[in-house]
Amino acid sequence: EVQLVESGGGLVQPGGSVRLSCAASGFTFSSFYMTWIRQAPGKGLEWVAHIKEDGSAQHYIDSVRGRFTISRDNAMKSLYLQMNSLRAEDTAVYYCVRDSGWYRFEYWGHGTLVTASS
Amino acid sequence: QSALTQPASVSGSPGQSIAISCTGSSSDIGTYKYVSWYQQHPGKAPRLLLYEVSNRPSGISSRFSGSKSGNTASLTISGLQAEDEADYYCTSFGSSPVFGGGTKLTVL
Repeated sequence: EVQLVESGGGLVQPGGSVRLSCAASGFTFSSFYMTWIRQAPGKGLEWVAHIKEDGSAQHYIDSVRGRFTISRDNAMKSLYLQMNSLRAEDTAVYYCVRDSGWYRFEYWGHGTLVTASS
Repeated sequence: QSALTQPASVSGSPGQSIAISCTGSSSDIGTYKYVSWYQQHPGKAPRLLLYEVSNRPSGISSRFSGSKSGNTASLTISGLQAEDEADYYCTSFGSSPVFGGGTKLTVL
């Protein structure tokens, strides 16, 4: 059974940093693109970043480029999102998602809430 | 980044059929067969309903079907049930990953 379990969310002051983690199990982690997708309270889904199977390439939505860094550890079957210079508009539930190819977001974690507020 | 346009809301009565549209451009839906649909109940993570326009993952009811014409994809739900009341999102392969704005389905 595929499982994705996020952790690391919480209340952070604007300008602060937080690191999200996602523990994967039930599939060959190193064979898939992995993605972070977020959802602000009461809003729709927004793709944030993804990372290639071997970690050699990453892409970001414009609003987070230069502030967020996606990474992975295939030996540990883990995905990460380092979030710096947080803004109020980054407040959202962040989902760890497996991309099964061609933006087919097949498996989702339960999400972790990040709140950027003073 | 391109945007995918969905109606904000649709409604239907139990047993009826409804369709939700997702309009993109020649850079995404118009060129690629890689359109996916997601269902999200309140407080829950989204789940994949359809991929590659009309393919259903294991465990998804055959009441959910998809199609595409030109730059517009559609999700059809037949035999509406109360449990179908949820938010629905589309996405398409294209220049960069983007979701439609979401459609709230109300079962009357």
